[in-house]
Parts: sequence; C-alpha cells; structure tokens
Amino acid sequence: DAGVIQSPRHEVTEMGQEVTLRCKPISGHNSLFWYRQTMMRGLELLIYFNNNVPIDDSGMPEDRFSAKMPNASFSTLKIQPSEPRDSAVYFCASSLGSGSYNEQFFGPGTRLTVL
Amino acid sequence: AQSVSQHNHHVILSEAASLELGCNYSYGGTVNLFWYVQYPGQHLQLLLKYFSGDPLVKGIKGFEAEFIKSKFSFNLRKPSVQWSDTAEYFCAVPEGSGGYQKVTFGTGTKLQVIP
Repeated sequence: DAGVIQSPRHEVTEMGQEVTLRCKPISGHNSLFWYRQTMMRGLELLIYFNNNVPIDDSGMPEDRFSAKMPNASFSTLKIQPSEPRDSAVYFCASSLGSGSYNEQFFGPGTRLTVL
Repeated sequence: AQSVSQHNHHVILSEAASLELGCNYSYGGTVNLFWYVQYPGQHLQLLLKYFSGDPLVKGIKGFEAEFIKSKFSFNLRKPSVQWSDTAEYFCAVPEGSGGYQKVTFGTGTKLQVIP
C-alpha cells in the first residue's frame, strides 16, 4: 500500500491567494483527519471525517478554512484567502474504523508558506 | 475534553544514556494511549500503544511505556538511546463518543541525541 498521499509536498504562495491541499487516504480506511503543525501551537486537529461525513470541525481556525471529502478516496483542505499566519505543515491522516483503538496513519505533509 | 501534557519540551542526551519522557492525561476513565514519533522531515508514525492488559507496553526500536492509572501517566522509556532516535515524540489519547474518535496530541518533546 502506498500509504496516505498528500499533494503538493511544498506550496509557496502570496497572501490573499487561494490554496488547496489534497489528500488520498489509505484504501479501505473510513476515517480521515486534517492536522496543522506549527512551532508555536504544535499539532492541532482541524477537522475529521467518518465515512465522508464531517464529524468535528471545531478545530478549523476560521471561515477562510474549508474541507471537503467528496468520496472515500479523496479530501481537500482549502484556504481562501490565505494569510502569512497560515504558514505551517498540514498533515492528513486516515484510520480504519472510528473507534479509539485505531491507529492513525499520517501522510508526509504539505509545507505551506504564505508570503 | 481530554488533555495531554508533555512537560519536557526539549531533551538532549548523549548516546547510550537512558531516556524517560513524561506524559500525563486528564481523563480518569477507561483510556487508550499512544506514543507517536516524528523523525526529522518525516511524518508521524506509531511507536507503541496501550489498550488494556499489561501496563508495560513494548514498542518498536526498543522503546517501552508504562501506564500508571493512579498517576494518569504513560511515560516513554528507552534504556540506551542512539543517535538515530533523534526525533520529536508525541503522546496521544483518543477520545470520542458514539463510535467516533479523534486523537488529542500532546505538544511534543524534541529529543536530540549527541553522538
């Protein structure tokens, strides 16, 4: 299995531009998570989906952030408009099942820099 | 909501030294616990996990962790560290209800092993 796939791996953009991050979970996994990692705040859960349905988006910082999961094999995290404080590494993770026993498998992350 | 505390933010050790990283959680009921590791430039991966049974859990690469319910702790240990153990270590506790789970991560401990 290829593991969780994220694209792009690096993104540099200017303030005000729209940014779309993509994630392909491990085939068969039905839970998907988006995290943001920064030096100041560590690893933060932004949103998670179960069976393509958003379950908890309380970690999404503000309305500029949105996430979708149109099918079981694809999810996007969009920032519009982007701001310099959005610069971070964004990780996607997936797990099989939704119980607390299930290990999350992380993707390689997208390093976002907003100038 | 669950909270996870990692009191050591940055630890520097010489090779062959013993390691103990602290982790405390807040929830007093039935709990599952994880340690994840993030090597430089890489994504998080599972190091070990505790669900039930023997409170001393063995993980990969010689790591172990002990669950002490009375102290709400799940400290990570390794008798003799190697340079390749240089990484950031995250304690994590899944939580949720109704069959849905999300994972609360600690702020992480950066371990630097000096050859």
